[in-house]
Amino acid sequence: KNQVEQSPQSLIILEGKNCTLQCNYTVSPFSNLRWYKQDTGRGPVSLTIMTFSENTKSNGRYTATLDADTKQSSLHITASQLSDSASYICVVSGTSYDKVIFGPGTSLSVIP
Amino acid sequence: KAGVTQTPRYLIKTRGQQVTLSCSPISGHRSVSWYQQTPGQGLQFLFEYFSETQRNKGNFPGRFSGRQFSNSRSEMNVSTLELGDSALYLCASSSSGSLGWLDTQYFGPGTRLTVL
Repeated sequence: KNQVEQSPQSLIILEGKNCTLQCNYTVSPFSNLRWYKQDTGRGPVSLTIMTFSENTKSNGRYTATLDADTKQSSLHITASQLSDSASYICVVSGTSYDKVIFGPGTSLSVIP
Repeated sequence: KAGVTQTPRYLIKTRGQQVTLSCSPISGHRSVSWYQQTPGQGLQFLFEYFSETQRNKGNFPGRFSGRQFSNSRSEMNVSTLELGDSALYLCASSSSGSLGWLDTQYFGPGTRLTVL
């Protein structure tokens, strides 16, 4: 069964600290993996997109890694800011649209 | 460049009614995808339209349908509403929406549908 799991479910960190969010998947065959940030009451915003051949991609303070062999990805946030408080969603796509699987998300709260 | 717009932003309906939601993609984008987001199921893919044709479809019943117009604007219709259809409905546009889905998708703010 195609699944995407994310951990932790929620996380609270102090402003300025780093954190890492995890995404494990079983989608096969694999096409690409995306990380989205979704602020409360708004639509998701794309952070990174990675294909099978990529193992690291950065977008400012966000760095995503992908290990296609172990089917794991992580999103590392450096020097967190209050505006990073949001839900972070991992999305894994197979080679057809019926294999677009969204993870449940990790809710991140950055506190002063 | 204006972003993806969705109307209405909020909607309240009763069971058995039908509803139509609208999505205007970013200018020049030809692919529009629709998603349902609920606290219990998270985000789920409904369908994708490209050049007025439904190109891909998720695992939702036939009560959920859509269409795309020649200007790429899209509508989604839900007939015979059920309580479980209460959700945030998001649309996203991309320039081509290739099968590998490598294009960046830009989401609208969503339409919050409440079914009573």
